[in-house]
Amino acid sequence: DAGVIQSPRHEVTEMGQEVTLRCKLISGHNSLFWYRQTMMRGLELLIYFNNNVPIDDSGMPEDRFSAKMPNASFSTLKIQPSEPRDSAVYFCASSPIGTGGGGANVLTFGAGSRLTVL
Amino acid sequence: GDSVTQMEGPVTLSEEAFLTINCTYTATGYPSLFWYVQYPGEGLQLLLKATKADDKGSNKGFEATYRKETTSFHLEKGSVQVSDSAVYFCALNFNKFYFGSGTKLNVKP
Repeated sequence: DAGVIQSPRHEVTEMGQEVTLRCKLISGHNSLFWYRQTMMRGLELLIYFNNNVPIDDSGMPEDRFSAKMPNASFSTLKIQPSEPRDSAVYFCASSPIGTGGGGANVLTFGAGSRLTVL
Repeated sequence: GDSVTQMEGPVTLSEEAFLTINCTYTATGYPSLFWYVQYPGEGLQLLLKATKADDKGSNKGFEATYRKETTSFHLEKGSVQVSDSAVYFCALNFNKFYFGSGTKLNVKP
């Protein structure tokens, strides 16, 4: 298996532009997580899905951020309009079954998308 | 609520030194515990895990024991190598994954 695949790996854009980050899950996994990593705030969970349904989006910073899962294997995270404070590394991760019940589910992370907003 | 606290870094060691990175947790239930490692420019990778009290997870010479009485899951390695230089994250999973803030390890030759 190729693992969790994210694109683009690097994105540089100007303030106000729309940014779309993409993620392909591991085949057979049905939980999908979007994280953001910065030096100041560390690793933050933005949103997660089980079986294509958003379960917890309390970490999404504001309405400029949106995430979708149009099918079982693919997700997008969109920022519109982007701001310099959105500069971070965005990680997608997937797991085989939904979290819960003290499970030993392992998250598998993608390599990340480094976003720079000028 | 559930949370994970790990020692702040950076931790700087010489090659072949003994490593301990402390991790304690707070949980309302009985979570599974994990250590993830992040090498520069990469995503987080699972290093080891333990799913119940007294379990020991181990991998690549690293090990950690799930201590319910002290709510701890300290990471240890007997002899570190330069290639172990990375950021290490402690995490727990019960209803949701919670990650610690990460501890950067620098190993000097």
